[in-house]
Amino acid sequence: RKEVEQDPGPFNVPEGATVAFNCTYSNSASQSFFWYRQDCRKEPKLLMSVYSSGNEDGRFTAQLNRASQYISLLIRDSKLSDSATYLCVVNIGNAGNMLTFGGGTRLMVKP
Amino acid sequence: ETGVTQSPTHLIKTRGQQVTLRCSSQSGHNTVSWYQQALGQGPQFIFQYYREEENGRGNFPPRFSGLQFPNYSSELNVNALELDDSALYLCASSLGRRSTDTQYFGPGTRLTVL
Repeated sequence: RKEVEQDPGPFNVPEGATVAFNCTYSNSASQSFFWYRQDCRKEPKLLMSVYSSGNEDGRFTAQLNRASQYISLLIRDSKLSDSATYLCVVNIGNAGNMLTFGGGTRLMVKP
Repeated sequence: ETGVTQSPTHLIKTRGQQVTLRCSSQSGHNTVSWYQQALGQGPQFIFQYYREEENGRGNFPPRFSGLQFPNYSSELNVNALELDDSALYLCASSLGRRSTDTQYFGPGTRLTVL
């Protein structure tokens, strides 16, 4: 079983749609959680950290359920520029501050 | 941009050769992590350096080695290259080694092994 699992997609949605991505992680000792965005052939960029109380940044809302070991990302009012791969990332917090990435979910927003 | 730079941007090598990739961290950052990203997959942690010492290692063989210099720049060395080493190699710098220290990625080096 992979440590961080995501549906690879692709999710094809029209502009203006709301889309949700889910992610599960296997290590219950995980301490920090993130969503990164990666454009084609570019480096990952931090989209947002995910907190237990849930957090929002503009059109983006992230939720964490520690009991179910589940993380979600909701994108409202999708824009063409949201087309990218979204990586669910977990940090166990052990020596090495190692980030464990899911395989990514590809989003394509169409006009 | 993140202020993290990597060189070279692209590299082609043949099986059995050795390669050195370089990373300059963002100003003020003392921690550098290296990741390997194969096509269609998420990045995988190789190792991390904190203040010139290795601070953790992922599931990679010893032919993957690294260094961090006093200015906190870093090198990744791979010996005896294999075809499966073809990937995007990313370095990320952070203020420190805590789990809450955000890692900022450089643009990567795309390595092709023939």
